[in-house]
Amino acid sequence: LAKTTQPISMDSYEGQEVNITCSHNNIATNDYITWYQQFPSQGPRFIIQGYKTKVTNEVASLFIPADRKSSTLSLPRVSLSDTAVYYCLVVPNRDDKIIFGKGTRLHILP
Amino acid sequence: GAGVSQSPSNKVTEKGKDVELRCDPISGHTALYWYRQSLGQGLEFLIYFQGNSAPDKSGLPSDRFSAERTGGSVSTLTIQRTQQEDSAVYLCASSLSPRSSGQGASFSYNEQFFGPGTRLTVL
Repeated sequence: LAKTTQPISMDSYEGQEVNITCSHNNIATNDYITWYQQFPSQGPRFIIQGYKTKVTNEVASLFIPADRKSSTLSLPRVSLSDTAVYYCLVVPNRDDKIIFGKGTRLHILP
Repeated sequence: GAGVSQSPSNKVTEKGKDVELRCDPISGHTALYWYRQSLGQGLEFLIYFQGNSAPDKSGLPSDRFSAERTGGSVSTLTIQRTQQEDSAVYLCASSLSPRSSGQGASFSYNEQFFGPGTRLTVL
């Protein structure tokens, strides 16, 4: 299973764009990059996943360079309610478990 | 529709007692996962089920921990002779199956849906 590395914590202000970068140097050819979000006192919830280039949905964008050794989750115009822990995962395209690391604790300030 | 439910939401027990934690997955989800999360920490994988069988028990921290799943639905995580270090939030998740499928544009990732967790405190 590919190991991921992401910042332990980040602070930002309301209305800013926040980018959280994750490293996954030993990602395999058929692995996919997935991000989960966890609010305090709740279980994580899936927000976005991608294989390469750029993926966008109503919550976030995910940028993946050609070498796929890193990825960047982009949250546009954050609000206080975006304060959460964000987990970067590498999902194997096979019957296997996925591993949650410690995530990035994002704190949005007013 | 109903999501993943867990009971109890909170459990306080004395050291040495046994506890049972219950998870009701989303109907039709064949895969079920148990995780543990200590305060301020990430999720620690414990075990996962495909149907009633557990192909991967590698995360169970000791033989005091066991889990079962019956009827391909409800799962119970049992901790025997609880210790203070067992105090944590125990999270359950389910997905359509553990297996993702396809590649490229046809890739379909079976995301995990999490319950609210059970907060276990061992005094």
